[in-house]
Amino acid sequence: KQEVTQIPAALSVPEGENLVLNCSFTDSAIYNLQWFRQDPGKGLTSLLLIQSSQREQTSGRLNASLDKSSGRSTLYIAASQPGDSATYLCAVRTDAGNMLTFGGGTRLMVKP
Amino acid sequence: GAVVSQHPSRVICKSGTSVKIECRSLDFQATTMFWYRQFPKQSLMLMATSNEGSKATYEQGVEKDKFLINHASLTLSTLTVTSAHPEDSSFYICSARAQTGQGLFFGEGSRLTVL
Repeated sequence: KQEVTQIPAALSVPEGENLVLNCSFTDSAIYNLQWFRQDPGKGLTSLLLIQSSQREQTSGRLNASLDKSSGRSTLYIAASQPGDSATYLCAVRTDAGNMLTFGGGTRLMVKP
Repeated sequence: GAVVSQHPSRVICKSGTSVKIECRSLDFQATTMFWYRQFPKQSLMLMATSNEGSKATYEQGVEKDKFLINHASLTLSTLTVTSAHPEDSSFYICSARAQTGQGLFFGEGSRLTVL
């Protein structure tokens, strides 16, 4: 059974810092991996989708990498801003089905 | 990008009543939709997979008679919480897959409070 772990669970940084969020998964036979952002009491916003054949994806200040063999993905946020404060979730879709397995999330606080 | 609309965003009901939550894909057809549940400060847990025109597939531990899922069209899936109890109070989120190989798009979620 696929298990997804995110470290750290919570992170507080001053504005302007570059930061890395980590996601690890136990079964490397994945179809794709997706990073989401969730604001308190809100739904999910898809940030980046990485197919299993890809190594990274970039969107603006965000860069996500994928290393299937080691079961890891990282989300890099450059020049963090207070508006980046949210919970970031990674989710893995396995070959076995359509369901996503979510990590526990990283609660990010960027202080002005 | 693909848009998924969920309604209502908030609902408060009395214990014992039933509540229906709608999930619509606004600009694409979704043969498969998923329903998740999220307790405070926890991640999302898949409840069921909804396929258009067929019965939903429920995850282990999810009562199918309590959480009724209907996916009558390619753009609409509904989750009905029957005879709701306070322990059913949670944040329910649906998602839909636009096409094979693409990521999932999520609704805004529905916060259910059962008094």
